[in-house]
Amino acid sequence: SAVISQKPSRDICQRGTSLTIQCQVDSQVTMMFWYRQQPGQSLTLIATANQGSEATYESGFVIDKFPISRPNLTFSTLTVSNMSPEDSSIYLCSVVGPISDTQYFGPGTRLTVL
Amino acid sequence: DQQVKQNSPSLSVQEGRISILNCDYTNSMFDYFLWYKKYPAEGPTFLISISSIKDKNEDGRFTVFLNKSAKHLSLHIVPSQPGDSAVYFCAASVPSGTYKYIFGTGTRLKVLA
Repeated sequence: SAVISQKPSRDICQRGTSLTIQCQVDSQVTMMFWYRQQPGQSLTLIATANQGSEATYESGFVIDKFPISRPNLTFSTLTVSNMSPEDSSIYLCSVVGPISDTQYFGPGTRLTVL
Repeated sequence: DQQVKQNSPSLSVQEGRISILNCDYTNSMFDYFLWYKKYPAEGPTFLISISSIKDKNEDGRFTVFLNKSAKHLSLHIVPSQPGDSAVYFCAASVPSGTYKYIFGTGTRLKVLA
């Protein structure tokens, strides 16, 4: 499976600021996704990061709040904008392909908003 | 509406015994099911999967059973080891070509030495 890294691994941010999370894969992949796991909750899909075009967002998530970039087949960023304490979560990227149909996850970014 | 449910938030098992984790789903269109294990401060790790055309898949100590008529799947771990202590998520995929998964809420397994 692909080796996936995320930066930062954790951060503590002030309300109203923004944080950009990076996801780097060691090989070209077909699909990249961004998830959120709120405390004690399941993993919720935020969006599919599309290479060279706008991300596809799930219901309840919007581009203004969670802008996503994917400039190539190995890298993506997720920005959490104008943060509030409710954004405190673990943010995870995952990838699919090119060989396997299974999603593999990065280590996650633990975000705390004060 | 929670389409994938894990009704047991936690489970404790003695080392060497069998651990059985359960998962129920509501959408009959799901065609691919997976189990992930998650340790604290790490991302979920893929464990085992099963296609809807099968009713059992085995990989070492891990076996997944699928009962389509009951919309139920289970993960059996035999024998359980202390290192298996983690949160286990089941996930389901819709055959839309999007590779999107819907995850259950997780079961925290504790294997007692």
